[in-house]
Amino acid sequence: DQQVKQNSPSLSVQEGRISILNCDYTNSMFDYFLWYKKYPAEGPTFLISISSIKDKNEDGRFTVFLNKSAKHLSLHIVPSQPGDSAVYFCAASAGGGADGLTFGKGTHLIIQP
Amino acid sequence: SQTIHQWPATLVQPVGSPLSLECTVEGTSNPNLYWYRQAAGRGLQLLFYSVGIGQISSEVPQNLSASRPQDRQFILSSKKLLLSDSGFYLCAWSRTRGRVGAFFGQGTRLTVV
Repeated sequence: DQQVKQNSPSLSVQEGRISILNCDYTNSMFDYFLWYKKYPAEGPTFLISISSIKDKNEDGRFTVFLNKSAKHLSLHIVPSQPGDSAVYFCAASAGGGADGLTFGKGTHLIIQP
Repeated sequence: SQTIHQWPATLVQPVGSPLSLECTVEGTSNPNLYWYRQAAGRGLQLLFYSVGIGQISSEVPQNLSASRPQDRQFILSSKKLLLSDSGFYLCAWSRTRGRVGAFFGQGTRLTVV
């Protein structure tokens, strides 16, 4: 049973355009959501997060939107740059428990020149 | 600042051989520690987590074990590796208070031959 779903294994976007990565979740107890970026052969790095009390969080070119009623969140990157090419993981936690984060399978974002 | 070290970066081991991957965290005390595995098409799977010395929780049954001999040291082991143990292993830490977010090491690419 996958509680965090990233249904697009890959996404190709032209440089300068907006990249939109989507994530759906099923566990209504999730109250904190994070996005991680991962290059090949490296550990994931934290990108941006959002608490369930908010519906939007912005950090530079990155914005995360949360729609609690739809159990859906998205990451917007604008404008997209070549260095954004990576695998992006959506993650969620419930109540800050010690058992860590639940991750999606990831979306491979490819920025085309 | 906090840093996490994980080694080795790559490892090729024969089937049936033992395994020991080590992870240490600097700059923080009493962190929660985690071992994840990234397998193709399966995202990041939590294997073990630890909230303190000698305290290990296992998320999935497997051929692996974990130990935490010191506050900031987390070890992933196996007595006899299987081919199916091949994958990319990631150590991570998080604070015990406040919002849960994981900070990852660089990962170990394990190939069992």
